[in-house]
Amino acid sequence: AQTVTQSQPEMSVQEAETVTLSCTYDTSENNYYLFWYKQPPSRQMILVIRQEAYKQQNATENRFSVNFQKAAKSFSLKISDSQLGDTAMYFCAFMKRHSGGGADGLTFGKGTHLIIQP
Amino acid sequence: NAGVTQTPKFQVLKTGQSMTLQCAQDMNHEYMSWYRQDPGMGLRLIHYSVGAGITDQGEVPNGYNVSRSTTEDFPLRLLSAAPSQTSVYFCASSFLTGENGYTFGSGTRLTVV
Repeated sequence: AQTVTQSQPEMSVQEAETVTLSCTYDTSENNYYLFWYKQPPSRQMILVIRQEAYKQQNATENRFSVNFQKAAKSFSLKISDSQLGDTAMYFCAFMKRHSGGGADGLTFGKGTHLIIQP
Repeated sequence: NAGVTQTPKFQVLKTGQSMTLQCAQDMNHEYMSWYRQDPGMGLRLIHYSVGAGITDQGEVPNGYNVSRSTTEDFPLRLLSAAPSQTSVYFCASSFLTGENGYTFGSGTRLTVV
């Protein structure tokens, strides 16, 4: 079974600063995906960024980027030029790929509550 | 394109009552699933389905029942509600590979008194 650990229950930074959220995972699988989801106070789960384990290049989506270290089983999220609207819970998630192409469900970490201060 | 639609958004049940949480998607996703979110616990998988007529258990299936008679719908049934089932429930769907991530519904906050 996989486990996902987010060691920072809460973080607070000033608007426009850069912040990094940590995530580590434990798996014996080689073929998997990693995701960061954002959950604002509206409760909606929003996909922020995804990373394929076999790709060494780190994923980037506008102000969001990841530092994927496969050997260390680490998958941190960097938010640049943080904005008030980034205030939310952030969840790291792991998904195993099957050799036949299908996938398992998501295994989530417990989340990091990120607060952007004006 | 509505995405994943969950109803109701809020529900209060008495212990022992039964109810069905509805989930529908219009994206032709093969994979559908139910999660529960409890404070400090992240989201945990209850049941999932990879296609019509096929369902399987996730991490926390006890007390819940599912069926998948169509590609679009995946209802979650609480057979006899217990206070321990007080939670926020999310339905999520994806194509079978899951590589583009899952699309989530807006959630149902369920309180069992």
